Amino acid sequence: QKEVEQDPGPLSVPEGAIVSLNCTYSNSAFQYFMWYRQYSRKGPELLMYTYSSGNKEDGRFTAQVDKSSKYISLFIRDSQPSDSATYLCAMTLIQGAQKLVFGQGTRLTINP
Amino acid sequence: GAVVSQHPSWVICKSGTSVKIECRSLDFQATTMFWYRQFPKQSLMLMATSNEGSKATYEQGVEKDKFLINHASLTLSTLTVTSAHPEDSSFYICSGVSTDTQYFGPGTRLTVL
Repeated sequence: QKEVEQDPGPLSVPEGAIVSLNCTYSNSAFQYFMWYRQYSRKGPELLMYTYSSGNKEDGRFTAQVDKSSKYISLFIRDSQPSDSATYLCAMTLIQGAQKLVFGQGTRLTINP
Repeated sequence: GAVVSQHPSWVICKSGTSVKIECRSLDFQATTMFWYRQFPKQSLMLMATSNEGSKATYEQGVEKDKFLINHASLTLSTLTVTSAHPEDSSFYICSGVSTDTQYFGPGTRLTVL
């Protein structure tokens, strides 16, 4: 069993739709959770970072963490074609210079 | 956010040759840098942790004699793929740590013929 599970998709939705991306994890010791966006042939870009259960909002993006269920989500409201990318969840045990464990990434396409 | 650069962005080499990839933190000092490898349609797999002034720590299954890492300064880490083979063809990405967050470089696409 992988430490972090993420549906690779692909996921295709119309412009303006609400997108829900999810990851589950098996190691309850994970404390810090991140979502990265990666465009084709580019490095990952940090979107959201959270360390507690609950919701964190930043513009059109909302990150949700449920530690009791070992489940995290990223919601994108009013999705735009420019949101088309691969979204990777990542998590780590300790904040700081620690290695990240990534999900497989979900390839998302927003259709105009 | 902090900026990390990589050079070259892509490289093609013949089997058996060595290739060096540079990772630079442009606006911050990175005591720790990480090297990842990403195969098509797959996630990032950590290869090694690079600490300035000390030997790198390699993940299980990564050959340290094949993937040489040097972190000689707080802004530069290099990965050298020695005696490259076609199966080493991949997308290599580095990251540097600034204020407890990893910032990734744009990646280097290596193709070994």
